[in-house]
Amino acid sequence: QVQLRESGPGLVKPSQTLSLSCTVSGDPLSSGSYYWNWIRQPAGMGLEWIGRVHHSGGTDYNPSLKSRVSLSVDTTKNKFSLELSDVTAADTAMYYCARGDYYASGSYYAFDYWGQGILVTVSS
Amino acid sequence: DVQLTQSPSSLSASVGDRVTITCRASQTINTFLNWYQGKPGKAPKLLVYGASTLQSGIPARFSGSGSGTDFTLTISNLQPEDFAVYSCQQSYNIPYTFGQGTTVEIK
Repeated sequence: QVQLRESGPGLVKPSQTLSLSCTVSGDPLSSGSYYWNWIRQPAGMGLEWIGRVHHSGGTDYNPSLKSRVSLSVDTTKNKFSLELSDVTAADTAMYYCARGDYYASGSYYAFDYWGQGILVTVSS
Repeated sequence: DVQLTQSPSSLSASVGDRVTITCRASQTINTFLNWYQGKPGKAPKLLVYGASTLQSGIPARFSGSGSGTDFTLTISNLQPEDFAVYSCQQSYNIPYTFGQGTTVEIK
C-alpha cells in the first residue's frame, strides 16, 4: 500500500520561502511512470494544483505559480519536495502531496494516492 | 484554464438517500474528469476517473457520468461514511483544475 506523508514547518513568514517534503513509502518513487504532485487548499476554497515532478526530474507547473515554485525529487530518500518563494498570506493553505498516474492505457491522469495534508500558515 | 463549477455547493441528505452532484466545465473536456472524496484530517480519495470508471475498491453505490462539459456524480443509498466533501477535477490539460467542492451533510 502506497503512503505519502507531508512534512515541513507549519508557519512561514511573509516574503520567505515555504519548503515542504513528501515521503513516499510502499513503493519506490522511481518505479513506473508516476508523477508526484503538490496540491493546496486554502480554507473554505477549492483545491489548486501546484505542479508535478517525474523521477527523471521533469516538471510541470501551474502558470499562476510558476515564477515562485520549484519541485524536486530525491530517489535515494524516496521523497519529493516543494519550494514556494516570496510567500504572502494568500499562500496560507492545507498542502497535499499526491501521486499522479495515467489510467485506461494512458488516457486519464488522476491523483490516486494522497497524503493527509499539512497546514501552512504565512504570518509574521 | 478550464474552470469547473460544481452544484450545489452543499446539500443535506439522510442515510439511504440518492444524491447527485453536478460539475460543469467552461469548455469541452471529453471525459477527462475525475471525482474525489475529502474528509477532515484524512487523505482525499479518488472515486471515479475518466468520468465514469470507478476506481478499484470504491463501492458500487458511487457512479459517474457525463462527457463534454456536463458531468454528474451520483451516490445511491447514502451511507454514514459518505458524508464528506466531493470535488471534481479535469485532466484534459495543464494546469489541472478542480471544482470548488460540494459538502454532503447529514440532514
